[in-house]
Amino acid sequence: DGGITQSPKYLFRKEGQNVTLSCEQNLNHDAMYWYRQDPGQGLRLIYYSQIVNDFQKGDIAEGYSVSREKKESFPLTVTSAQKNPTAFYLCASSISSGHSYNEQFFGPGTRLTVL
Amino acid sequence: KQEVTQIPAALSVPEGENLVLNCSFTDSAIYNLQWFRQDPGKGLTSLLLIQSSQREQTSGRLNASLDKSSGRSTLYIAASQPGDSATYLCAVRSGNTPLVFGKGTRLSVIA
Repeated sequence: DGGITQSPKYLFRKEGQNVTLSCEQNLNHDAMYWYRQDPGQGLRLIYYSQIVNDFQKGDIAEGYSVSREKKESFPLTVTSAQKNPTAFYLCASSISSGHSYNEQFFGPGTRLTVL
Repeated sequence: KQEVTQIPAALSVPEGENLVLNCSFTDSAIYNLQWFRQDPGKGLTSLLLIQSSQREQTSGRLNASLDKSSGRSTLYIAASQPGDSATYLCAVRSGNTPLVFGKGTRLSVIA
């Protein structure tokens, strides 16, 4: 069953902790993305990666870090430097960024809450 | 910089009505446009992808059109049902860059 999985579904973080959100895809997609969604603000791009071992900052990268060591995996770490991390985090993937038939797919999301 | 706008922000219609959701974008040099659906607390589900060379795409009761020159797309939903209630997002891709999203239209179909 092909798709994108995110874990955990719910995550609670204490002040000052780093936490890592998992994203895995078995679609053989080259490109992967992380978005943050807050009520009334729409989707905002955090980081994206078009190929293994390479990634670029999105619009709101401060306080976040990523790695892309394997094609199928793109974990996101929310560091203690992120002052307001409570949000819904969405991972996505696509074949690659540079084609007109490039359709993007999303995972089910992780809801992070700071206690 | 590409900007995507969706109007209206919210829409409420009685069951059975045909309806149109609007999406506009500022830079017409796009590779494709994608429509998504999002249910509360869930991820986004891809509904339709229109490539830049296409004028429209259809899937069941959904029809999406694209007018690149005017920077507009519409999503037509025929014979709406309560199960269509969700937020609908439009996004465009320009070259080798990530999708740029609108803020969505929240649709409520009343039985």
